[in-house]
Amino acid sequence: DTEVTQTPKHLVMGMTNKKSLKCEQHMGHRAMYWYKQKAKKPPELMFVYSYEKLSINESVPSRFSPECPNSSLLNLHLHALQPEDSALYLCASSQEHRWGTTTDTQYFGPGTRLTVL
Amino acid sequence: GQNIDQPTEMTATEGAIVQINCTYQTSGFNGLFWYQQHAGEAPTFLSYNVLDGLEEKGRFSSFLSRSKGYSYLLLKELQMKDSASYLCAVRDNHRDDKIIFGKGTRLHILP
Repeated sequence: DTEVTQTPKHLVMGMTNKKSLKCEQHMGHRAMYWYKQKAKKPPELMFVYSYEKLSINESVPSRFSPECPNSSLLNLHLHALQPEDSALYLCASSQEHRWGTTTDTQYFGPGTRLTVL
Repeated sequence: GQNIDQPTEMTATEGAIVQINCTYQTSGFNGLFWYQQHAGEAPTFLSYNVLDGLEEKGRFSSFLSRSKGYSYLLLKELQMKDSASYLCAVRDNHRDDKIIFGKGTRLHILP
């Protein structure tokens, strides 16, 4: 099973709402990632969790708050977003974050299409 | 600085062969990935190269030359379903092993 699941598939929210995106994997991966992708652009890394600890925060605004309740789950809490935050939010996981010469790669979930009104 | 270059768009005919090139300049290097991404969907892993040479996987092959900072993805016997964006990505071990993505090449397949 190489599946990463994300819910919801689509989310429309107002600028004053609070919502959460959820991601789950059961591959025993110890690294999980949040990416943001705008149309016709490559994915941009937001956060990396390694062994349930925040390893990298790519200077993401505090209106995005990640959480890793356990090794299989990753959440992204959203509050007071702006219309420019509308994008596809991708979760990914990999065996480890820091690799040696392993050929392991990141497996992506299907994404949550977020629209902020 | 970090730079990963690939053509923005390419067009090819069903049944033909197409080569998508990627050049990179990164602080460090610990592997190069190719991903396929259909519109509105997540990227899916195609190939990984860390040593120089050619890796073949069915209709898809990927080549790497570390000295030239160059890779290509070769797609043979093109099918309509191969219409997608192809993302070249480099793992930079001088930057916390982050995977840095290129802007992607949109490939259009004509019947």
